[in-house]
Amino acid sequence: KNEVEQSPQNLTAQEGEFITINCSYSVGISALHWLQQHPGGGIVSLFMLSSGKKKHGRLIATINIQEKHSSLHITASHPRDSAVYICAVKGSGGGADGLTFGKGTHLIIQP
Amino acid sequence: DSGVTQTPKHLITATGQRVTLRCSPRSGDLSVYWYQQSLDQGLQFLIQYYNGEERAKGNILERFSAQQFPDLHSELNLSSLELGDSALYFCASSTAGGTGRYEQYFGPGTRLTVT
Repeated sequence: KNEVEQSPQNLTAQEGEFITINCSYSVGISALHWLQQHPGGGIVSLFMLSSGKKKHGRLIATINIQEKHSSLHITASHPRDSAVYICAVKGSGGGADGLTFGKGTHLIIQP
Repeated sequence: DSGVTQTPKHLITATGQRVTLRCSPRSGDLSVYWYQQSLDQGLQFLIQYYNGEERAKGNILERFSAQQFPDLHSELNLSSLELGDSALYFCASSTAGGTGRYEQYFGPGTRLTVT
């Protein structure tokens, strides 16, 4: 079982829809990252969370440490939101800062 | 633009060869991380350097090595290349490298194709 599980793997929606992508993890963490990867391959960091909720524009990320679960929401989705969204965690063991990644959610927003 | 640069963007080489990938972190960032993204394994952490010293190792093969120089740029050396080493290699940087929660900024990646 992967340490970081994302759902759904693929999601196709219509422009304007509210989108939710889920991430569950099985290890203790000190931080959780949401990343966006466009078809060209570049990775952009969207959020880093250790508790609560963060909002940036139409994107909202939440985390529940007790339930080991995080969600990424996109409001008023737009075709330019089409990308792969990747959840990654940093373990709480100390020392190593390398991230452990989920397999990503491939999102397509149709006009 | 994250401020992290990687060269080259694309690299095509043959099995058995050796290549070097280069990364320059954002100005002021002391930590450099290397990640590999392949179709079957997804994104995997390879290795981290902090201010010139190796900080942590992930799933890095013995055929691979890295170093961070005094000017903080880093190089990832891949030797005895195999077809399965074909992947996107990302470098990321952050301000520090301890147990704190630091944002990581990703470079554009180097696409390696081994033929």
